[in-house]
Amino acid sequence: DAMVIQNPRYQVTQFGKPVTLSCSQTLNHNVMYWYQQKSSQAPKLLFHYYDKDFNNEADTPDNFQSRRPNTSFCFLDIRSPGLGDAAMYLCATSRDRTPLGEQYFGPGTRLTVT
Amino acid sequence: DQQVKQNSPSLSVQEGRISILNCDYTNSMFDYFLWYKKYPAEGPTFLISISSIKDKNEDGRFTVFLNKSAKHLSLHIVPSQPGDSAVYFCAASTPSGTYKYIFGTGTRLKVLA
Repeated sequence: DAMVIQNPRYQVTQFGKPVTLSCSQTLNHNVMYWYQQKSSQAPKLLFHYYDKDFNNEADTPDNFQSRRPNTSFCFLDIRSPGLGDAAMYLCATSRDRTPLGEQYFGPGTRLTVT
Repeated sequence: DQQVKQNSPSLSVQEGRISILNCDYTNSMFDYFLWYKKYPAEGPTFLISISSIKDKNEDGRFTVFLNKSAKHLSLHIVPSQPGDSAVYFCAASTPSGTYKYIFGTGTRLKVLA
């Protein structure tokens, strides 16, 4: 089945130690998104790629970076994780960037910072 | 400032009855609204949507109502089934042209057998 895959599902990292989360998709969608969801909060968009065009949200900390080497893969890099970065990170895709293009989500990676 | 609000963190409903999940928004420029359902250990999945030019959209047991003057939308599930037990997120599409979603905090629905 076509899907959005996130690895790993659980990630533990140390304070200040760089960490990379990965997302892959078999849907061949143009758009890939990264969301951060903290406990009991709404998923918050960090950035998205429309094809190779990177779109950062204005309030996304510089600590968060992303790479999309090809259509299928997208990475979230946290350069120096702080305790406040512990959250569920959701990757999503959509065929196009329109309101009609509902997003397809992966299962998420839960990040713990010790 | 939370632009999309789901003020009920949880809701319990008896199987076969109607479930009504509510969502309020503050930005009158939102032009598209969606509901997502999330089971534990899975990502959210799209359920139903509505354009701001409509006031109702129906898909099987699921109906979304939009009241633009009140900046309120609701999701009705009739009849409710135990398999509907999940967290439901309301989302609004921004009018910025990039069609980003702004999500609410979710409502956990429990359908009792």
